Formats: sequence, C-alpha cells, structure tokens
Amino acid sequence: KAGVTQTPRYLIKTRGQQVTLSCSPISGHRSVSWYQQTPGQGLQFLFEYFSETQRNKGNFPGRFSGRQFSNSRSEMNVSTLELGDSALYLCASRTGEDTDTQYFGPGTRLTVL
Amino acid sequence: AQKVTQAQTEISVVEKEDVTLDCVYETRDTTYYLFWYKQPPSGELVFLIRRNSFDEQNEISGRYSWNFQKSTSSFNFTITASQVVDSAVYFCALRGGRDDKIIFGKGTRLHILP
Repeated sequence: KAGVTQTPRYLIKTRGQQVTLSCSPISGHRSVSWYQQTPGQGLQFLFEYFSETQRNKGNFPGRFSGRQFSNSRSEMNVSTLELGDSALYLCASRTGEDTDTQYFGPGTRLTVL
Repeated sequence: AQKVTQAQTEISVVEKEDVTLDCVYETRDTTYYLFWYKQPPSGELVFLIRRNSFDEQNEISGRYSWNFQKSTSSFNFTITASQVVDSAVYFCALRGGRDDKIIFGKGTRLHILP
C-alpha cells in the first residue's frame, strides 16, 4: 500500500499571502489529522477530519482551516500568513477505528518571508 | 488534562552502547493508547509501537524494547547495541479522552556517535 503523501514538499510564501497544503491518506483510511511542528512548540495538533467532518480541533486561530473530500483526501489552508507560521506541517492518516494507529506523511516545509 | 513528558531533550551515546529514552504520561482515562515514533532527518514520523492501557506486557522487537508500567505512568524505550542509523528524534505520544486527541511529548534527540 502506498503511504501518506503530501504536496508540495516545500513552499516559500510571503507575509499576508495564503497557502493550501494537500494530503492523500493511505487507501482505506478515513481519518486525516494535521500537525504543525516547530522547534519551539514541538508537534501541535491542528485538526482531524473523519468522513468529511471535522472531528477534533486544536488551539489554533481561525486563519487555519481544513477540509476533507469524499475520497478522504484533505487540504489545509492558512490565510494571512505570519512569520510564525513557518513550520513543518505533517499530515497523518488512520482508519478511524478505536484501536488503530496513525501513520504520517513526509510533511510540507513552509517558509514565510 | 493529558500530558506527555520526555525529560531528556538530547542524548549522545557511542555506537554499540544501550540507551533508554524516558516517557512519562498523565491521564485520567482508564482506556488510552501510547505510541512511540521516530523522526529521522528526512522529517517523516515513523511509527514504532502502540500499546493500549490494558496491555502491560513489555515488548521486544530486534534491538528495540519497550517497558510499560502503569504504576509509574511510564512507557520507556530502550535501544540495545545502538547504531548510527538510530540517530533521530524520538517522540512518545498518548491518545485518549472523550475527544480522542493525540498528545505528543517534546521529543528526545538521540545522537549515536561512531
């Protein structure tokens, strides 16, 4: 089975712009979660989608949003980018069942100038 | 509130030495899951092991072993005969609670010196 894929792998934007990141989960996985990883804050949970519905949300401002499509692919959008949004954004997928395990993609490295 | 503490920020050992990475967790749930992930320089988190709260059996997989002790709320990870390829950041994580969120520790950066 193919793993979790994320596009693009690297992205450079300027302050004030917006960005959309994409994640394709492992086939058969219905849950997709997004994380932000920075040296200072570590791995922080952004949100989780399951069957096109947001199931969980972390403590991030409304500039961070996401959605999931019927094929379980997910997108994350960040509007009005700030310098502090520079981070590695990781996507993870799992089946959505109680005992399942989350598998991560390679991440998108976002740099905001 | 749930919490995962990895007190060791960075560890350096010489190749072939054994090394233990500590993980202490806090939760009020009776059912929860614990995980270890490895993050090599490439950035992708690689799943290593999952343990549920009802299974306190220790596990060994090759050079890796895990010691889960509910009495001390710890889930420690030992690498035996370390190799340079083990150099990475290792994360301990906890999943549980009504919202089923996954909480990660801050990670331990492990350097295996040749």
